[in-house]
Amino acid sequence: DAGVIQSPRHEVTEMGQEVTLRCKPISGHDYLFWYRQTMMRGLELLIYFNNNVPIDDSGMPEDRFSAKMPNASFSTLKIQPSEPRDSAVYFCASSLRSGTGGNAFKNTGELFFGEGSRLTVL
Amino acid sequence: KQEVTQIPAALSVPEGENLVLNCSFTDSAIYNLQWFRQDPGKGLTSLLLIQSSQREQTSGRLNASLDKSSGRSTLYIAASQPGDSATYLCAVSNQGGKLIFGQGTELSVKP
Repeated sequence: DAGVIQSPRHEVTEMGQEVTLRCKPISGHDYLFWYRQTMMRGLELLIYFNNNVPIDDSGMPEDRFSAKMPNASFSTLKIQPSEPRDSAVYFCASSLRSGTGGNAFKNTGELFFGEGSRLTVL
Repeated sequence: KQEVTQIPAALSVPEGENLVLNCSFTDSAIYNLQWFRQDPGKGLTSLLLIQSSQREQTSGRLNASLDKSSGRSTLYIAASQPGDSATYLCAVSNQGGKLIFGQGTELSVKP
């Protein structure tokens, strides 16, 4: 498996524009997480899904942020409208807790991260 | 609400020294605890995972311990090398799947 795949890797946009970040979790994983990392606040959990259903979105900063997981292999994090204070690295991660997930991964709940999407809002 | 604290925030040691990084958490009802490494500008790499029923895990020069009752975990690095320089983060997961990170310890190993 290729691991967790995020796109774009880098995004530079102007204030007020819509930003969409994408994530493909590891095949067979049943949990998906979105985190935001900044120097000031460290790694913040924004939202996580279990079997495509949002479980806890209490970390989403405000209504400008929304996340979806239409199927088990794809999730998006959208910011509309974007603001300079949204500039950060956004990470997607996935894990497996239930079932066997095939031979490659055990259901230990071990978290695997993507490389991140670095967002700069001017 | 689970809170995860890592001490120290930064650590500088000479090459070859053994060192200990600390992680504490406020809610002992955890599912597992995981240690990660992050190099500058990169993503997070999983180092060790300890299930709630386990007391420690080892991988090469790394050993992680877990004491749920006191809400503590330590990451022991033996015979440190300059290549170990990175930020080390611990994360605690609860039964519902929520995973919270500490602020990390920035480690610098001097040649």
